[in-house]
Amino acid sequence: AQKITQTQPGMFVQEKEAVTLDCTYDTSDPSYGLFWYKQPSSGEMIFLIYQGSYDQQNATEGRYSLNFQKARKSANLVISASQLGDSAMYFCAMREGAGGGSNYKLTFGKGTLLTVNP
Amino acid sequence: ETGVTQTPRHLVMGMTNKKSLKCEQHLGHNAMYWYKQSAKKPLELMFVYNFKEQTENNSVPSRFSPECPNSSHLFLHLHTLQPEDSALYLCASSQRGPNKHTQYFGPGTRLTVL
Repeated sequence: AQKITQTQPGMFVQEKEAVTLDCTYDTSDPSYGLFWYKQPSSGEMIFLIYQGSYDQQNATEGRYSLNFQKARKSANLVISASQLGDSAMYFCAMREGAGGGSNYKLTFGKGTLLTVNP
Repeated sequence: ETGVTQTPRHLVMGMTNKKSLKCEQHLGHNAMYWYKQSAKKPLELMFVYNFKEQTENNSVPSRFSPECPNSSHLFLHLHTLQPEDSALYLCASSQRGPNKHTQYFGPGTRLTVL
């Protein structure tokens, strides 16, 4: 079974509107971390936002927020007020375990290509 | 230089060539990673180094040979590659320990094997 599922291969949004990118995950570990990365056409993976499994509040970083629904095992990325520069691939990733010892590996989803239209 | 840098950014090589990819991190991290990103596939973890010691080799063919001389530098030595090895190779670093383990990536080397 896939550990990270991103069901939207592509998404379109109008400039200045909000968009939600879906991510569901599968783990039996009670301690885990969820990450979102942005990859423009240049190739670099840019870290956007992190959510820990024990975090009480949904994570926010500027225009990015993570809609964390633990019972549904979903960690959707919400981008508010989309900009043309937001056009890129977006990857959801998960680290299982608390992060100590050997628990450092990230498992990535297949990504969602977001296109922001003017 | 800041963050994670990678050189070269683009590389074209023949199947009999030997080349090396270089990665340098300026973040004071103690773990470094090599990933392979092929078209239409999720990122594949290749190697992990923690304090210069290799802690993960994800069944990578021996034609890929990593080297980590110190916690800031990571190399990937390439020899007798196959066309299917053409991909974007990404280097990342992180600070190991409790909590986030956020990995920060370099810009990648786009490799084409002819």
